[in-house]
Amino acid sequence: SQTIHQWPATLVQPVGSPLSLECTVEGTSNPNLYWYRQAAGRGLQLLFYSIGIDQISSEVPQNLSASRPQDRQFILSSKKLLLSDSGFYLCAWNRGTEAFFGQGTRLTVV
Amino acid sequence: GQQLNQSPQSMFIQEGEDVSMNCTSSSIFNTWLWYKQEPGEGPVLLIALYKAGELTSNGRLTAQFGITRKDSFLNISASIPSDVGIYFCAGRSVSGGTSYGKLTFGQGTILTVHP
Repeated sequence: SQTIHQWPATLVQPVGSPLSLECTVEGTSNPNLYWYRQAAGRGLQLLFYSIGIDQISSEVPQNLSASRPQDRQFILSSKKLLLSDSGFYLCAWNRGTEAFFGQGTRLTVV
Repeated sequence: GQQLNQSPQSMFIQEGEDVSMNCTSSSIFNTWLWYKQEPGEGPVLLIALYKAGELTSNGRLTAQFGITRKDSFLNISASIPSDVGIYFCAGRSVSGGTSYGKLTFGQGTILTVHP
């Protein structure tokens, strides 16, 4: 069966520090991968999606970047965090119509 | 871009009551999904709908794919305290290309159930 792992679960980082969140999927190949951000426990904002290695599409201009160095690995990064980057970050994957989410990372920028 | 309007934004109900929420879209979807998110967790898929008019149940949950392909609803019967959470609808559009696999999410319905 397929599983998705996302870490860390929580992170507190100072303003101006770098960020690296990692997501890996097991039990499938060539998945579509996604990064979402959720603010204040409400809607899901799509940040990045990837249909293959090194193929990344950005949905909104922002202080973040994404990379997919391997088929089942998706990384969300920032060189310098802003206060406004705080939020709940979710990784997701799909191959067909249904998407499955990781457990999320609560990022607090202080 | 595509937009999904989900309503209501929040609901406060008594245990045992039935719940109904819906989503409408400005464009046609070929898939509708309903998710539940509990605090501090990722959303979990509840029901998937693939055909216009389709009615699917999962325990006390029932969802329907609207015949216009622009809406869907989710009903929860005889609510219990563990139904608390945020419910999201999500749709995937007919067109492919760069939108392949991308889901558009509603803003969520926050459900509170009082014992």
